[in-house]
Amino acid sequence: EAGVTQSPTHLIKTRGQQATLRCSPISGHTSVYWYQQALGLGLQFLLWYDEGEERNRGNFPPRFSGRQFPNYSSELNVNALELEDSALYLCASSLEGARTYNEQFFGPGTRLTVL
Amino acid sequence: KQEVTQIPAALSVPEGENLVLNCSFTDSAIYNLQWFRQDPGKGLTSLLLIQSSQREQTSGRLNASLDKSSGRSTLYIAASQPGDSATYLCAVFTGGGNKLTFGTGTQLKVEL
Repeated sequence: EAGVTQSPTHLIKTRGQQATLRCSPISGHTSVYWYQQALGLGLQFLLWYDEGEERNRGNFPPRFSGRQFPNYSSELNVNALELEDSALYLCASSLEGARTYNEQFFGPGTRLTVL
Repeated sequence: KQEVTQIPAALSVPEGENLVLNCSFTDSAIYNLQWFRQDPGKGLTSLLLIQSSQREQTSGRLNASLDKSSGRSTLYIAASQPGDSATYLCAVFTGGGNKLTFGTGTQLKVEL
């Protein structure tokens, strides 16, 4: 069974541009999560999508946005890129979001570099 | 606000040594705690998941314990090998918003 996949592997942008990152969850998983791992800041929760809706958002500005498609894949968009957006962006998926935990499985990540 | 801390931040040991990684969290109302491994520039590999009702979990040379009341977990690695070199992250799930709160990580190097 295929795991969580992310594309592209690497992305290089300049300040002010927009970046689009993509994630395909494990088959049967309906929840997708995005995390940012910036140097020196650790792994921070960004967004949670379930059944096409944004369910929770971390402490990030509105220029970080995304969506989930009917096939449960997801896209993360970062507008007006800043240098500090350079990070590894990890996507995870799980069975339907629930108050008790459904294990999150992580993809390999997209390395975003902003010049 | 849940805060997760890992000690030490970095650790270098000779091959074959047994070692313990520590994780502490401020809010004991967790559903579970998970230990991950991350190789440089890569994604996360789940190692062990401990439910809040459990005290420990074992997988091969790895053993993780959980003391919810004191807000602590330890990851014990027996007979360490160079292939164990990686960053180890613990994460807690408290249910609110379905997010995992991660620790700062312990960077482990096992030398020949």
